[in-house]
Amino acid sequence: EVQLVEAGGGLVQPGGSLRLSCAASGFTFSSHYMHWVRQAPGKGLVWVSRINSDESSTIYADSVKGRFTISRDNAKNTLYLQMNSLRDEDTAVYYCGRGILGPAVAFDMWGQGTMVTVSS
Amino acid sequence: QSALTQPASVSGSPGQSITISCAGTSSDVGAYKYVSWYQHFSGKAPRLLIYDVNMRPSGVSNRFSGSKSDNTASLTISGLQAADEADYYCCSYAGSATYVVFGGGTKLTVL
Repeated sequence: EVQLVEAGGGLVQPGGSLRLSCAASGFTFSSHYMHWVRQAPGKGLVWVSRINSDESSTIYADSVKGRFTISRDNAKNTLYLQMNSLRDEDTAVYYCGRGILGPAVAFDMWGQGTMVTVSS
Repeated sequence: QSALTQPASVSGSPGQSITISCAGTSSDVGAYKYVSWYQHFSGKAPRLLIYDVNMRPSGVSNRFSGSKSDNTASLTISGLQAADEADYYCCSYAGSATYVVFGGGTKLTVL
């Protein structure tokens, strides 16, 4: 089955750290750019970060730059998001998204999301 | 405040057509053909409906169509069905620095 499954969410105190993972199956993971997108409670989708297929290039939204690190292990078909110095405003459902093949910029498959709550 | 501006809500009756607008700038929607649209049911994974302004992925009904004029993109849903009631988001590439921006989302109600 073609799917993405996120894990690693939970409750963490402000200033704490959390590592999210996204396990991919059913497709050639190493061929796709991968992304993290988040949705705060009652708010819309917000793009967080992207990594290219061979991990040579990463890019981040300004709101997480310097605090979050995206990475991937193509041998394990897994995407990661290391989140440090967490803030209240990082509270959200975090989705991993698969970049569509080709020159287009779009997300053609998404996971169900994992909830991250930053609170004391 | 989201980078792209969508109406908070739209509504229509079964069988009718509705259009959701997505207003951007000359730095995102107006500059690139990389506009995409997503359908999102609460608690579920978002679903890609349209990419490259007007391209439909395999499996997406032809009731969904996209277009763009200057700095504004649009999603049209024809033959509205109760099952279409969901949140819809537009998204645009915005250059190598900003990369991607989403709209604030539009809640579609089928009356």
